[in-house]
This record gives sequence, structure tokens and C-alpha cells, in this order.
Amino acid sequence: KQEVTQIPAALSVPEGENLVLNCSFTDSAIYNLQWFRQDPGKGLTSLLLIQSSQREQTSGRLNASLDKSSGRSTLYIAASQPGDSATYLCAVRSMDDDYKLSFGAGTTVTVRA
Amino acid sequence: SAVISQKPSRDICQRGTSLTIQCQVDSQVTMMFWYRQQPGQSLTLIATANQGSEATYESGFVIDKFPISRPNLTFSTLTVSNMSPEDSSIYLCSVEVPQGDSLNTEAFFGQGTRLTVV
Repeated sequence: KQEVTQIPAALSVPEGENLVLNCSFTDSAIYNLQWFRQDPGKGLTSLLLIQSSQREQTSGRLNASLDKSSGRSTLYIAASQPGDSATYLCAVRSMDDDYKLSFGAGTTVTVRA
Repeated sequence: SAVISQKPSRDICQRGTSLTIQCQVDSQVTMMFWYRQQPGQSLTLIATANQGSEATYESGFVIDKFPISRPNLTFSTLTVSNMSPEDSSIYLCSVEVPQGDSLNTEAFFGQGTRLTVV
């Protein structure tokens, strides 16, 4: 069964600093990996989707990389802003788990003004 | 992409009562998914709702506790029945949209329903 781990669980940085969020997964047989943002008590907003054949995806200040063989993905957020404060979750869609999404527990980010 | 409208956004309910959560999608989708997120934890899939058939429940979730309706291809409801404080969670509906081939789908979520049972 796929297990997804996100470290650290929480992160606090001053405004302007770059953010680096890590996601690791145990089974490299995946279709894709997705990064989400969640504000407190709210739903999930899709940020980036990386297909298994891709190495990275970019959207504005966000860049996500995927190293499938080592079971890792990294989300980079450049020049962080207080509005980036949220919980970031990664989810993996596995080939061997009935195509379901497996979620990490998330990294809660605080960007200090 | 997909736009999902979920309501209510939050509710405070008495134990022993039931709450029905509604989820409306802006396009027709084959499957809709219901998740639970307990405080401080990640998402757990409750069930998959297909139009015209019974929902498929994950281990640990039963139809009597979480009845689901799926009357058409754009709408679904989840009911949390006979609630107890342990049911206090965020409940989320989700759909998946193909990106290129059907095996690569992107998940989209509603705004969530924050349920507190007292």
C-alpha cells in the first residue's frame, strides 16, 4: 500500500524567502502526483499535476519536480508572500491501489510579514 | 478543470442528528468521491459515487452511517447519520478530470464542509 510522507510538518519563513516542501512516497509505480493548497477549514485547491513521464511542472512562482525512481517530489515557491500561508498537501495516484489517491499529511506554512 | 459547489460550508450539529451535504459540479462526471479529513490529519476516502448504481464504500465506512445519493451526472449528496462528536471533521467532495489520456486524471475538490458535533 502506498504511503506518502511530507516533511517538515510545519515551516515558518520570513516574507521573500523561497519555500521548499518535500513529499516522498514508497511505491514508484504511479500515474501522477498532485500538489494542493488548503486554507484552514476549507477545501483543496489544485496547484500542479505532474504526470509520471514528467520531471517538473511550473506555474507562476510555483515549480514542482518529480523523481519517480527515488519516490520524491519537491514543491518550490519562490519569493514567498504572507498570502502563501496555508497547508500544502501532495497526493499520489498509484497503479497498484485501484487508481486511488494517497495523500500526505501536509506541510503547514507560515510566511511572516 | 472543474468547478465544484459544496454546501453547507460549515455546521454545528447536535449528537444523534443527521446532516446532508450537497455537491454540485459544473460538468458531467462519471464518478464523484467523498472524503473525510479529521482534525490534524490527511484525507481519507469514504466512498465513490456512480450515477445509477450503489456507492462503493471503503473499508471502515458503511452505507447506514454515510448514505450517498447520486441522482444525475452533476450532483451528489452525503449524509452523516446519527452523529457523534467523533464525526467532527471536514467532509469534501471531489471529481477527477482526464488530462490527456484517461489514466492521467486531475482531482478537483469542493470548498469542504466543516462539521462540528456537540
